[in-house]
Formats: sequence, C-alpha cells, structure tokens
Amino acid sequence: NAGVTQTPKFQVLKTGQSMTLQCAQDMNHEYMSWYRQDPGMGLRLIHYSVGAGITDQGEVPNGYNVSRSTTEDFPLRLLSAAPSQTSVYFCASSYPGGGGEQFFGPGTRLTVL
Amino acid sequence: AQSVTQLDSHVSVSEGTPVLLRCNYSSSYSPSLFWYVQHPNKGLQLLLKYTSAATLVKGINGFEAEFKKSETSFHLTKPSAHMSDAAEYFCVVKNSGGSNYKLTFGKGTLLTVNP
Repeated sequence: NAGVTQTPKFQVLKTGQSMTLQCAQDMNHEYMSWYRQDPGMGLRLIHYSVGAGITDQGEVPNGYNVSRSTTEDFPLRLLSAAPSQTSVYFCASSYPGGGGEQFFGPGTRLTVL
Repeated sequence: AQSVTQLDSHVSVSEGTPVLLRCNYSSSYSPSLFWYVQHPNKGLQLLLKYTSAATLVKGINGFEAEFKKSETSFHLTKPSAHMSDAAEYFCVVKNSGGSNYKLTFGKGTLLTVNP
C-alpha cells in the first residue's frame, strides 16, 4: 500500500494564479481531510469529506475548493492564490471505526509570491 | 467545544535523559486523545492514542502517555531520549463519539536532543 500520496511536493505560485493540490489514498478510507500547517499554529482543517460526493468546510476554508468524485481522490483547489496561502498542506484519511486515527500524506510546501 | 494546549513550544534534553512533553485538554465529552510526531520535512505519524481504555497508554519507540481526567492532562514521556527522537510533537483531541475528521491540534512542541 502506498498509503496517502500528495503531489506536488513543492510549488511556487504568483499571486492570482490557480492550482490544484492532488491527494490520493489506497486504503479505501471514507474520510479525507485537508489541513494547512503554519509555524506555531499546529494544523488547521480546511475542508473534509465523509465520502464520495460529500464535502464540507473546516476551520479555514476561504480561498479553497474541494470535490470528491471517487473514494480514492480528494483534490484541493486554490482559485486565486494569495501570499497568505503560503503554507505546508497535508492531506489525511481515516475510517469510521478507526477511533479517530488519521493517516497523513507527506505534505505539499506551497509558496505564493 | 474542545481545545488542547501544549505547555511548551520547545523542549531541549540531552541524549539518555527523560523526556516530558506536556499537554492539557478541554473537552465537553469524554475525549479521545492522540500524540503525533512529525520529523523534519515529513508527514505526521501516530505515536499513541487514548480512547477510554487503560489510562496509561504505550506507543511506538518507547513513548507513553497517561490520561489524567482530574488534571485534564495527557503528558507524553519517554525514559531515555535518543537522537532520533528530535522532531515536533502534536497533542490532538477528539470528542468521544465525534466525527473522526474533526480533530483539534495543539500548536506543537519541538523536541531537541543534544548529544
């Protein structure tokens, strides 16, 4: 099993550009989440999904869109990048009976100039 | 509402000495509690979790944590630090019965291990 994979690992954008961060998992987990990590802030939930076709907002959703057409994939879209979105982004997956344990991808480091 | 406070942003120890990383939590319900570790430029890995069974929880790499309801604490300990323990550690809380995707993370404690 590859677990949770994320691409790209690094990305530099200019203000106003759009892009999609990819996330995939091969564990057949129903739940998937996107977090951003900023220094001294821990991880903050951006969006989450409880299954294909079902998504909802987390703590910091502004400027991001998600969709979930399959169980395996959960892409995160930046519509018009801003310097405040410079961060490390983590995708995670979990399953209902897992007691809350989440499985994390390796992260995408995004810089917006 | 739930919250978690990691009392130290940075802890520095010498190799072979004990490690103590402190975490206090606030939860409206019986919580599930976790410690995750993040090595430099890596994703997060689960160290251990408490889900209302034994209050002393053993995890990977010799770490353990004790759930103390009266003190609302879930401190992480290890008897003897190793250089490979240098990483950032996150305490995480989830309300019992709450959704598995709604975790609340502490701000992290950076552990430095000196030779």
